[in-house]
Amino acid sequence: DAKTTQPPSMDCAEGRAANLPCNHSTISGNEYVYWYRQIHSQGPQYIIHGLKNNETNEMASLIITEDRKSSTLILPHATLRDTAVYYCIVRVGNDMRFGAGTRLTVKP
Amino acid sequence: DAGVIQSPRHEVTEMGQEVTLRCKPISGHDYLFWYRQTMMRGLELLIYFNNNVPIDDSGMPEDRFSAKMPNASFSTLKIQPSEPRDSAVYFCASSLASLVVGVEQYFGPGTRLTVT
Repeated sequence: DAKTTQPPSMDCAEGRAANLPCNHSTISGNEYVYWYRQIHSQGPQYIIHGLKNNETNEMASLIITEDRKSSTLILPHATLRDTAVYYCIVRVGNDMRFGAGTRLTVKP
Repeated sequence: DAGVIQSPRHEVTEMGQEVTLRCKPISGHDYLFWYRQTMMRGLELLIYFNNNVPIDDSGMPEDRFSAKMPNASFSTLKIQPSEPRDSAVYFCASSLASLVVGVEQYFGPGTRLTVT
């Protein structure tokens, strides 16, 4: 399974875009890139996923590089409630493996 | 939909006691997953079911742990006997289909287990 690398922490100003990077240089052709987040004491929350193309939904945008070796999750207008740990997961099967993630702190 | 429902939300028990955690997946979801989260090990998959059948239990730590899914709307995770190192937050999740085809998992609020 492909391994992911994320920065341990990031800060973002409220109202600005939050860009969370993820490296997955060993990703294989059929592995999806998933993003989840976990707000303190709550269960992980699905954000978005993609295979090859960029994806957008009501929560975020996912930009995957052409070689698929890295991706960026974009929260277009971060709010204080977006403060959470964000997990980037690359997986082909049902065995989702959550790493340490990136702790995003949105500051007023 | 009410989402994935777990009970109890908090459980405190003494070492050696039996603990049963419960989960009701989202209606219509064919896959159910049990995870455990600790500060040391992060979020770990314990077992998952497809159509009530256990598919992969390789994450179950030892024989003291067992999980069942008697029907599509109910699953239990049992620890007998419990030990202090079992203290963790246990999450249940469900998905409409296999994650292989790229679908989202929905997580419950978790059960915080403390074994003294």
